[in-house]
Amino acid sequence: GAVVSQHPSRVICKSGTSVKIECRSLDFQATTMFWYRQFPKKSLMLMATSNEGSKATYEQGVEKDKFLINHASLTLSTLTVTSAHPEDSSFYICSAQGARGLVDEQYFGPGTRLTVT
Amino acid sequence: AQSVAQPEDQVNVAEGNPLTVKCTYSVSGNPYLFWYVQYPNRGLQFLLKYITGDNLVKGSYGFEAEFNKSQTSFHLKKPSALVSDSALYFCAVRPRRGGYQKVTFGIGTKLQVIP
Repeated sequence: GAVVSQHPSRVICKSGTSVKIECRSLDFQATTMFWYRQFPKKSLMLMATSNEGSKATYEQGVEKDKFLINHASLTLSTLTVTSAHPEDSSFYICSAQGARGLVDEQYFGPGTRLTVT
Repeated sequence: AQSVAQPEDQVNVAEGNPLTVKCTYSVSGNPYLFWYVQYPNRGLQFLLKYITGDNLVKGSYGFEAEFNKSQTSFHLKKPSALVSDSALYFCAVRPRRGGYQKVTFGIGTKLQVIP
């Protein structure tokens, strides 16, 4: 159980366009979802935390107008990279946490490789 | 502020030998501790977590980790390494108290198991 999917797994877009990444919890309800960005040979950088039905909480230094996060249901969160630039190229990973207990581990999606040309 | 240190960028071990991937943390109080594994171009997979109780925690794929409060460490171990264990391993910590349960990850340690 506790499967999280991400779509697409890989996307290439042109500079200036927007791209949307979906994160779904397939077999549980995710009250909280997290979006991370991972740079090569670096750890995961938390971008934002979203709770279903409320605005996302962004980490310091993350532009909320550039990285739009929507958590419209208990099984779906989306990250939209607006007006993408080559420096936005990265590996984006979402994770979902259920409401079963206080110490649920986060369940991670397989990641989305974004390349902006 | 909480932090996690994984002092080794890479650990090399021969197949069949025991392995240890080190992790130390800095956080107020007693945190929850986690280990995750990441294979190339994949998300993170949960291995194990420490909540309370026995300091030796057993997890997936034969891995275990030992919580040492005095040394604020949570080293990952396995008695006999497999080539398929080669991957990137992340240690993570989350505060036990507080409404914002942010998880902080270490920088990761690449484990290379040599046939």
